[in-house]
Amino acid sequence: QKEVEQNSGPLSVPEGAIASLNCTYSDRGSQSFFWYRQYSGKSPELIMFIYSNGDKEDGRFTAQLNKASQYVSLLIRDSQPSDSATYLCAVNNPGGGADGLTFGKGTHLIIQP
Amino acid sequence: NAGVTQTPKFQVLKTGQSMTLQCAQDMNHNSMYWYRQDPGMGLRLIYYSASEGTTDKGEVPNGYNVSRLNKREFSLRLESAAPSQTSVYFCASRPQQGHQPQHFGDGTRLSIL
Repeated sequence: QKEVEQNSGPLSVPEGAIASLNCTYSDRGSQSFFWYRQYSGKSPELIMFIYSNGDKEDGRFTAQLNKASQYVSLLIRDSQPSDSATYLCAVNNPGGGADGLTFGKGTHLIIQP
Repeated sequence: NAGVTQTPKFQVLKTGQSMTLQCAQDMNHNSMYWYRQDPGMGLRLIYYSASEGTTDKGEVPNGYNVSRLNKREFSLRLESAAPSQTSVYFCASRPQQGHQPQHFGDGTRLSIL
């Protein structure tokens, strides 16, 4: 059973600070890793994806991947109240099985003004 | 550019009724997916279609059938709805297998009484 684990939160961060969201996964064969943001009652929206070890930056967002530790994280710099949402970590299912994503249950992030 | 379009947005059914959820994408993507999202459970893959003419089971296929009508459209059918199928259903698509991210529709909120 492939698993993706996230702390459900809520994670409360002051406005302007760095929010750090973490995710671990069980399947060493996973190759692609995705962060989606989901506002209440809305659909998941892609924030970042990463498939190589190290860091990938896009504006205020940085995704970090460590395949040896089976760990992926998302950093949000200069957090804004509009960043308050649930963040979903998703991992691809390696070839041979269902070609979809396995999602964590999400971390609820609250940015306090 | 509409992206991924799902219809209907909301539906209430009685136990035992049938219905089809529709999904269409205008991004010329090869792969399409159906997920369900339940409180505390995260998104779970129901069925997917890697390409036109093929469909495969995901994590939770029981009680559902799918049809990949053409490259654009991928429908999900509940033959005899049960209260356990009350959920939010998301359709997603992506260009091809591998590292490419999935893009989600707005969802269908389905209640089975």
